[in-house]
Amino acid sequence: AQSVTQLDSQVPVFEEAPVELRCNYSSSVSVYLFWYVQYPNQGLQLLLKYLSGSTLVKGINGFEAEFNKSQTSFHLRKPSVHISDTAEYFCAVTLSGGYQKVTFGTGTKLQVIP
Amino acid sequence: DAGVIQSPRHEVTEMGQEVTLRCKPISGHDYLFWYRQTMMRGLELLIYFNNNVPIDDSGMPEDRFSAKMPNASFSTLKIQPSEPRDSAVYFCASSPGQGARGDTQYFGPGTRLTVL
Repeated sequence: AQSVTQLDSQVPVFEEAPVELRCNYSSSVSVYLFWYVQYPNQGLQLLLKYLSGSTLVKGINGFEAEFNKSQTSFHLRKPSVHISDTAEYFCAVTLSGGYQKVTFGTGTKLQVIP
Repeated sequence: DAGVIQSPRHEVTEMGQEVTLRCKPISGHDYLFWYRQTMMRGLELLIYFNNNVPIDDSGMPEDRFSAKMPNASFSTLKIQPSEPRDSAVYFCASSPGQGARGDTQYFGPGTRLTVL
């Protein structure tokens, strides 16, 4: 079975500074990887996803993530954060092919400090 | 499209009472998921349906929980009897495909349940 680990439960960062949110996954077969964002009192929404092809994936709101198969990682980055990026970010994984459920990480709370 | 619709948005009830949460998925989506989110356990998948048929209910915590999907546009999650430890935010999500094609899941706004 697949699993995903988000090592950082909270990440404080100053406005306009860069940020990286870490995600590592575990699977012996090919996977699809996702980042979702949850703003306060809202449901999750997709930021970006990796299915195949280029390992650098660009998403909404200036976020990007890089799939690294050798490191089994899918870290999320943004070069300059805004106050509005304050939210909780979830990494998720599913096995490619067939019908497999999506497994979500425990989430990382990004706190942007003015 | 209005997105995934959940009702009620907030529910406060007393221990022992029956609670019914409702969800309307996005039209045309074949899969529907129920999740529970708590501070302690994070986001947990409770059950999911494909074309109105329950596929995996291994995440349902116990017999007090039940879910139905009588048609493509409506699903319910019922807790009977409710207990304080059921307090959580319950999300419904839908997707065109469960994940075989890397499909996105679209989440509703959630129902915040408080059991006193």
